Amino acid sequence: GAVVSQHPSWVICKSGTSVKIECRSLDFQATTMFWYRQFPKQSLMLMATSNEGSKATYEQGVEKDKFLINHASLTLSTLTVTSAHPEDSSFYICSARRTRGNEKLFFGSGTQLSVL
Amino acid sequence: AQKITQTQPGMFVQEKEAVTLDCTYDTSDQSYGLFWYKQPSSGEMIFLIYQGSYDEQNATEGRYSLNFQKARKSANLVISASQLGDSAMYFCAMREAAGTALIFGKGTTLSVSS
Repeated sequence: GAVVSQHPSWVICKSGTSVKIECRSLDFQATTMFWYRQFPKQSLMLMATSNEGSKATYEQGVEKDKFLINHASLTLSTLTVTSAHPEDSSFYICSARRTRGNEKLFFGSGTQLSVL
Repeated sequence: AQKITQTQPGMFVQEKEAVTLDCTYDTSDQSYGLFWYKQPSSGEMIFLIYQGSYDEQNATEGRYSLNFQKARKSANLVISASQLGDSAMYFCAMREAAGTALIFGKGTTLSVSS
């Protein structure tokens, strides 16, 4: 089956630093990737939709200058949390949709971010 | 209004028993898709089953089946013969327009005991 690789799995950083999370589709082309955020024991909340070669579309309430998304190729999207603060600590998970194929989304394994 | 409602925060079942996890949805679209995912403590999202709004038959995947009642806007997940490894969080999700992101419910934590 299709594989989406997300890296790193976990990261601890100091407040004020920036963290980059990568999401790669390993065996298919992904025109669209989605970034979600999940707090413990809660649902996945959509942060933004990333389209290859164009600007990301952010959900209401998500700061685009804080959560920078780049989708430079059909197999890679990155999420950069800039000037991270403790309240940004969360589980971030990406998902990708095949350029062609059914509607099933493939998810990365997630990144646990802890900001000290 | 919530698009996806999962009213059971937690469910408990014994091994080998069947369990139903409830999900209702709200949409005015005619074409939509319904999904169930399993999330173990590791955090990964494991796809379980998909039902398209135009599919006339209920979807089945091994021990998983989706009880799709379109008029009632419900898409309950039935797990037959529960196993200890089924203990996890289960999310119901919906895709409204083709190619858009999934909207998730709040999830149900399933605990299977021996």
